[in-house]
Amino acid sequence: EVQLVESGGGLVQPGGSLRLSCSASGFTFSSYPMHWVRQAPGKGLEYVSAINSNGGSTYYADSVKGRFTISRDNSKNTLYLQMSSLRAEDTAVYYCVKVGAYAAVTTLDIWGQGTMVTVSS
Amino acid sequence: DIQMTQSPSSLSASVGDRVTITCRASQSISSYLNWYQQKPGKAPKLLIYAASSLQSGVPSRFSGSGSGTDFTLTISSLQPEDFATYYCQQSYSAPRYTFGQGTKLEIK
Repeated sequence: EVQLVESGGGLVQPGGSLRLSCSASGFTFSSYPMHWVRQAPGKGLEYVSAINSNGGSTYYADSVKGRFTISRDNSKNTLYLQMSSLRAEDTAVYYCVKVGAYAAVTTLDIWGQGTMVTVSS
Repeated sequence: DIQMTQSPSSLSASVGDRVTITCRASQSISSYLNWYQQKPGKAPKLLIYAASSLQSGVPSRFSGSGSGTDFTLTISSLQPEDFATYYCQQSYSAPRYTFGQGTKLEIK
C-alpha cells in the first residue's frame, strides 16, 4: 500500500522552530518529487515547498522563503521540512504529498494524513 | 503567479442533482488542471487530472472539461458521499502549484 505518514507537528511559540518528517512506503520514494502543502484552520490549500527526486532542486512559496528548508533522505524514504522563525500565520495542517505524472500533467496523487502545527504563545 | 478562481464558493444541492463547479485561471494553462475532493478532517483526494481524465477508482459520475483558462467539474447525479469541498489546482507552473479557493458542496 502506498502510504505517507507525517510526524513532528505540535505547539510552538512565535519565533520558534520545528522539524516535520514524512515517512514514505509502498513506492520507490527516490523516483518522485515531493511537496509540502498546508491548510490553515477553515481555509484552503496552499503550496509550501517542493523538492525534486534527488534533492538537488528545491522550491519555496514566497511566504516561507528564507525560513523553511525542505530536504529528503532517499536512503531512509523520508521527507523533511525544517521550519524556523515561525509566525502565527504558519498555523496549519501540513501535508506531505507525492507528485505523480499522468498524461504529461503532474498531479499531487498521494497525500499523507497531515500533521498540525500551532504557533502560539 | 498564476491565480485560480473557483465559483461558486459554496453550493447547496440535493441527492440526484447535477452540479457544475467552475475554475478560471489568470492566464492560459492549456490542460494542466487537476481537481481534488476533500472531506472534513481528511486529506484531499485526486479526482481528475489533465482537465478531463478520471483518476483510477473515481466514479464515472464525475467529469471534467475545459482548456486554456476556463474549466468545469461536473457531478452528474449527486450521491450522499459527494458532499465535500472541491479544489482545482494548476500544474502549468510546476512545481509552484496554485489552488483555487475551494467550493463547498452542501446538502440542501
